[in-house]
Amino acid sequence: DVQLLQSGAVVKKPGESLRISCKGSGYSFANYWISWVRHMPGKGLEWMGRIDPSDSFTRYSPSFEGHVTISVDKSIDTAYLHWSSLKAPDTGLYYCMRRSERGWFDPWGQGTLVTVSS
Amino acid sequence: QSVLTQPPSVSAAPGQKVTISCSGSNSKFGDSYFSWYQQLPGAAPKLIMYENDKRPSGIPDRFSGSKSGTSATLVITGVQTGDEADYYCGTWDSSLSDVFGGGTKLTVL
Repeated sequence: DVQLLQSGAVVKKPGESLRISCKGSGYSFANYWISWVRHMPGKGLEWMGRIDPSDSFTRYSPSFEGHVTISVDKSIDTAYLHWSSLKAPDTGLYYCMRRSERGWFDPWGQGTLVTVSS
Repeated sequence: QSVLTQPPSVSAAPGQKVTISCSGSNSKFGDSYFSWYQQLPGAAPKLIMYENDKRPSGIPDRFSGSKSGTSATLVITGVQTGDEADYYCGTWDSSLSDVFGGGTKLTVL
């Protein structure tokens, strides 16, 4: 079964750093890009960026570039989303997804809830 | 504001047909495939249509998709109460950045 398993919910303070993870199983991890989206309460899905696990090449949405970093450790089939300095507006639900060559996303991780509050 | 425009909400009685549109804002999406995702309450989104009109295994044929120009459409025939969810379209632009629509909430009356 192809699956993406994300790390658990976290509560952080503004200014703190955070890394959440997304571990793939059931397929050849290096052969598919991993993308991240943000889902804020009452809002739509916002594509943040993606990484090619085979060479760690990344592409970011202009809305998120410079504020988050996407990385990968292909030796353990895991992608990461990292903030060096969280802000309250970063509060939201974050999903990782496996991207096909033709642009569709399947499967999705179960989501990681990030709460940033003082 | 998303570059893919979806109606915020649609509603239908059980058994009726529902159409959800996804309009691309410009010609950047002309060569792209569209996909559709269903997000049931409290769950992660799930792929229900890919490459404009293909259904993944397990998705009933009540769901169909199409693309015309820079826009796409999802049609649900014989809508059921279990179809009540948020629906998102997705594609990529000419710079290979992915993008999603703002989502459409389907209410089954």
